[in-house]
This record gives sequence, structure tokens and C-alpha cells, in this order.
Amino acid sequence: NAGVTQTPKFQVLKTGQSMTLQCAQDMNHNSMYWYRQDPGMGLRLIYYSASEGTTDKGEVPNGYNVSRLNKREFSLRLESAAPSQTSVYFCASGGGGPSFYSNQPQHFGDGTRLSIL
Amino acid sequence: TQLLEQSPQFLSIQEGENLTVYCNSSSVFSSLQWYRQEPGEGPVLLVTVVTGGEVKKLKRLTFQFGDARKDSSLHITAAQPGDTGLYLCAGSRYALNFGKGTSLLVTP
Repeated sequence: NAGVTQTPKFQVLKTGQSMTLQCAQDMNHNSMYWYRQDPGMGLRLIYYSASEGTTDKGEVPNGYNVSRLNKREFSLRLESAAPSQTSVYFCASGGGGPSFYSNQPQHFGDGTRLSIL
Repeated sequence: TQLLEQSPQFLSIQEGENLTVYCNSSSVFSSLQWYRQEPGEGPVLLVTVVTGGEVKKLKRLTFQFGDARKDSSLHITAAQPGDTGLYLCAGSRYALNFGKGTSLLVTP
């Protein structure tokens, strides 16, 4: 079972470059999320999508854009990378159950480790 | 602003010992989730608690949600090296807010 798949796993960028992080889930979940994890800061929500066709800002959206391409895929784009965006990025999905709580992040990918020089 | 405070930040114990990890907040949450994360991997959901005072058991792990739905605890009985990892609590309001985690090391 694939679950949540993130690509790439590692990436090094130069300041000012752009790139897109890809995420796909095969669990037919409604909700998808992008988090960043930094030492001493915990997991912080960047953007989320409660359903196909909708996206909303989270706690730290500046410098990022997202696209919910279809129900399976949710991409995160850095238009002009900055060193402060060096982090580990996690995509998560949730939903498929009857309760509100099942729509919260339940399954995480293994992360994209991004370094910006 | 960190809505959820986890303690202790680090914990190193020997196999067979018991331990408790705490997750505290001044805010009320509609639900609270516990995850475990191993190095190089994403968090894995362990449990969701939704009712004040609720206690859930998962083998040697016991999770409790405070009566006022502001805090939670995770108790591990007879810890094993396989329990080593980062334990994260996350509270649900309009979105999920994560604590910084408790890093647990269990040595044989």
C-alpha cells in the first residue's frame, strides 16, 4: 500500500530558484495538507485543501503556493526559494470516514528534505 | 505562539521502565491526536481522543484526554527499544496544531 507519496525525497536549490514538491495519495481522502518541520519548531501547517477544488492558508503560507490538481494530488510550489525555507516538508491526507475527526491528517508521507543555499 | 506544550522534551530510559509524556494547553480542543515519528519518516497516527476524560489503550500505551479537553497524557508501560521515537501531540480546533514533541530513547 503506497499511502501518501512525496517526490522528490531530497533537493538542493540555490536562492531564487523555483521548484514544485509533489504529493499523491491513493486512499481516496478528501483532505490534504502541507506541513514543514523545523528543529525546535515542531510541525507547522503551510496550506491545506479540505476537498478537491479548495485550498486555504495555514499558519505559515508566505512564499508558497499550492494546487489541488485532483482528488489524489496536492502540490506545493516555491516561486523564489529563500534560505529560510530550508526544512523538511511533509504532505498528509485525511478523510474517507463519516466523522469530522477522520478528515484531520491521518497519513503522512516520508517527507522532502529541502536545502536552499 | 505554541498552543501545545509537551514535556519532557527529551527522555532516556532503560527497557522495562514506565514513563509518562504530557501535552498541555490553555486552549480547549475538539479532539487531540498522538503521533509517533521515527528518523527519516513521517509521523504515524497512534490515536485520536475526542471526549473529555476519555482513556484509550493501545497495547502498552495508554492515552488520556483531560476532562476540560485542554491536556492529554501518554503512558507507556514496560518500555521497549522499539518504542524509541519522537512522540507528537496535536490538538484540533479549526486546524491541527502540533506540539514540538517528546524525543524518547529506550536502551536495552
